[in-house]
Amino acid sequence: DQQVKQNSPSLSVQEGRISILNCDYTNSMFDYFLWYKKYPAEGPTFLISISSIKDKNEDGRFTVFLNKSAKHLSLHIVPSQPGDSAVYFCAALAGGTSYGKLTFGQGTILTVHP
Amino acid sequence: DVKVTQSSRYLVKRTGEKVFLECVQDMDHENMFWYRQDPGLGLRLIYFSYDVKMKEKGDIPEGYSVSREKKERFSLILESASTNQTSMYLCASSLQVWNTEAFFGQGTRLTVV
Repeated sequence: DQQVKQNSPSLSVQEGRISILNCDYTNSMFDYFLWYKKYPAEGPTFLISISSIKDKNEDGRFTVFLNKSAKHLSLHIVPSQPGDSAVYFCAALAGGTSYGKLTFGQGTILTVHP
Repeated sequence: DVKVTQSSRYLVKRTGEKVFLECVQDMDHENMFWYRQDPGLGLRLIYFSYDVKMKEKGDIPEGYSVSREKKERFSLILESASTNQTSMYLCASSLQVWNTEAFFGQGTRLTVV
């Protein structure tokens, strides 16, 4: 069963506008959430994270929102730039003895047009 | 900076061959992971290790084994490569502290023909 879901395979936005990427999860044990960005033929790079005790975390142009009751998180990129075009993966981590085992969503391909 | 290095960027192997994918990290991380990435399926965990000589199955371990003889090195072994193991393989490592990110290598694109 897919415990972390990104239901939009792709998203296309204009440069300068907002990009919103969504992610849903089903496992209530998840308490830490991360977003990774991946270019073709490269490994994923960490972008931003949020703990379950928060509902928002901001880092420059990137903001992640967490709605625990809805088991939903989103990544906002404002303003979007062509260099942001990549695959974005949402990931979740359960605390305790998970040994840092991340569960990933399917990914969303973001294309930012100049 | 954390560095996770995978031994090959691209590999082409024949069906039935034994394949070794090597991964080395230089930040003294306790945890190491092997994932595979396939279109529409995201990253799926094959195996992970939380200590030297310790290994745990992930979500899709069938057809794979791993070895961790030293803390910095984690090897993925395809015992008898098959075409459905054609994929992008990604190694990662992380500290064994509460809620921290994993760092990934550059990936190995394996094609089995």
